[in-house]
Amino acid sequence: GENVEQHPSTLSVQEGDSAVIKCTYSDSASNYFPWYKQELGKRPQLIIDIRSNVGEKKDQRIAVTLNKTAKHFSLHITETQPEDSAVYFCAASEGGATNKLIFGTGTLLAVQP
Amino acid sequence: GAGVSQSPSNKVTEKGKDVELRCDPISGHTALYWYRQSLGQGLEFLIYFQGNSAPDKSGLPSDRFSAERTGGSVSTLTIQRTQQEDSAVYLCASSPRGSGDSYNEQFFGPGTRLTVL
Repeated sequence: GENVEQHPSTLSVQEGDSAVIKCTYSDSASNYFPWYKQELGKRPQLIIDIRSNVGEKKDQRIAVTLNKTAKHFSLHITETQPEDSAVYFCAASEGGATNKLIFGTGTLLAVQP
Repeated sequence: GAGVSQSPSNKVTEKGKDVELRCDPISGHTALYWYRQSLGQGLEFLIYFQGNSAPDKSGLPSDRFSAERTGGSVSTLTIQRTQQEDSAVYLCASSPRGSGDSYNEQFFGPGTRLTVL
């Protein structure tokens, strides 16, 4: 089955700097890659996703890139703000009919003001 | 509109007791997923429903865990004879459609925090 690895586990940046989180996956049949943001005690919220027929997607300060050949995808946050502080999870849909998501172990992002 | 809701928000139980966790998906969403999140960990897939059927139960940790869904809506996750290692946040998510080449977003509920003493 699908396996997703996520790095780094913690990331501290200064306000205004960029943050990059990287994930790799194992199942070449995976076709959907969402990123979720989870604030302390809250539910995961989708912030951006990318499908396998696209190499890059951007939404304001957030962008995601996908390299299908290498089986890795990355989240880029520019001009970070304190409210970006949270745990970020990448996920990959397991190939097949269920569309179930296999999650990475998360990255705790701390943006220092 | 209303999002995914779960109840209870918190549940403390004694080892060996049974617990039931409830999920109300977004109206009209046919796909429903249960995940488990242990402290400081990612989300672990448990079970997937399409309508009232569960074509993928591969994530259930043991036969103490079961789930059902009725009327294509509410789902209940039951844990029998709870153990301390069952302590976690149990999250439910729903999606408009989860089969075939659907790429639909999964909307998460707030979770139930289960503590087994």
